Amino acid sequence: DTEVTQTPKHLVMGMTNKKSLKCEQHMGHRAMYWYKQKAKKPPELMFVYSYEKLSINESVPSRFSPECPNSSLLNLHLHALQPEDSALYLCASSPGTSSYNEQFFGPGTRLTVL
Amino acid sequence: AQKVTQAQTEISVVEKEDVTLDCVYETRDTTYYLFWYKQPPSGELVFLIRRNSFDEQNEISGRYSWNFQKSTSSFNFTITASQVVDSAVYFCALSEMNTGNQFYFGTGTSLTVIP
Repeated sequence: DTEVTQTPKHLVMGMTNKKSLKCEQHMGHRAMYWYKQKAKKPPELMFVYSYEKLSINESVPSRFSPECPNSSLLNLHLHALQPEDSALYLCASSPGTSSYNEQFFGPGTRLTVL
Repeated sequence: AQKVTQAQTEISVVEKEDVTLDCVYETRDTTYYLFWYKQPPSGELVFLIRRNSFDEQNEISGRYSWNFQKSTSSFNFTITASQVVDSAVYFCALSEMNTGNQFYFGTGTSLTVIP
């Protein structure tokens, strides 16, 4: 299994809702990432988990809450989002945490906040 | 300062033409890695190539080729005999030994191949 899967593919939520994005990989990778991508922009790093521990949090608002239940799963819990949070949310994984590791990306979740 | 610059925002070519996507990077590390990713309309970023700073050999993979020149801090990507399926946004990225697995992405080049 050489892919990263993400669910759901599309999500529409109101500003008072609570929802979660899910990411899964079965490649034995030890690092997992959340990125946010707005239209016509490059991905922006949000969080990095290394060996199931949060290692990088790029000053993301607390309405985004990551969770890594085990080495294969990564969740992003969403609460009280704003319309400007509408974007493509990409999950990625890499074999390790070194700079030479390529990252493998999932197909993303297209989030719309009303 | 932008570490990776992709000056071409949008490029359109007619099918079967060759096209080169430019990538210029900036780093003070002596050990670093450069990557190219393809993002089709479906959204998933697809890994194309990794090159380390000590290997300046050009690489060819089918219709794709990459030219790495440290003297000009460039890592350009050429698609030969372009096809409609090559239409996508292409991102160049840099990672540095000192910052580990953090990627610095360029702003991307949107390539449209017209049939």
